[in-house]
Amino acid sequence: NAGVTQTPKFRILKIGQSMTLQCTQDMNHNYMYWYRQDPGMGLKLIYYSVGAGITDKGEVPNGYNVSRSTTEDFPLRLELAAPSQTSVYFCASRDSGAYDEQFFGPGTRLTVL
Amino acid sequence: AQSVTQLDSQVPVFEEAPVELRCNYSSSVSVYLFWYVQYPNQGLQLLLKYLSGSTLVESINGFEAEFNKSQTSFHLRKPSVHISDTAEYFCAVSDPPPGNKLVFGAGTILRVKS
Repeated sequence: NAGVTQTPKFRILKIGQSMTLQCTQDMNHNYMYWYRQDPGMGLKLIYYSVGAGITDKGEVPNGYNVSRSTTEDFPLRLELAAPSQTSVYFCASRDSGAYDEQFFGPGTRLTVL
Repeated sequence: AQSVTQLDSQVPVFEEAPVELRCNYSSSVSVYLFWYVQYPNQGLQLLLKYLSGSTLVESINGFEAEFNKSQTSFHLRKPSVHISDTAEYFCAVSDPPPGNKLVFGAGTILRVKS
């Protein structure tokens, strides 16, 4: 199993550009999450999904969109990139059992200039 | 709302010395607590978790954490650290279902020196 994979690993965007961060898991997990990590701030939840077709906002959803058309994929969309979105983005997934471990991808480092 | 406070942003320690990384939480519901570790340029990995039962939980690499309800704490300890323990450690509390969202602390960087 590859686990949770994220692409790209690094990206530089100009202000106002858009992009999609890809996340795929091969563990057949129903739950998937997107976090952003900023220095000294820990991880903040952007969006999450409890199954295909079901998504909900986390703590910091503004400026982002998600979709979940399949169990495996959970892409994160930035429509109009802003410098405040410079961060490291992590995708995670977990099984449906109560309080199962979340498995994290390696992250995408995004810089908006 | 649940929250987690990690009291130290950085903890320098010499190899083979003991270490304690402090974590306090606030929660209005049943508490489920986690420690995750992040090695440089990697994602997070679960180190250990407290769901119920014994208040002392252990990891396979010698770390342990004790759930203390009266002090709302979940401190992480290791009696003798190695250079390879250098990493950032995150304490987290879980929301109840659905979603089981994790609320993370700001992280503590453990630097082990030789």
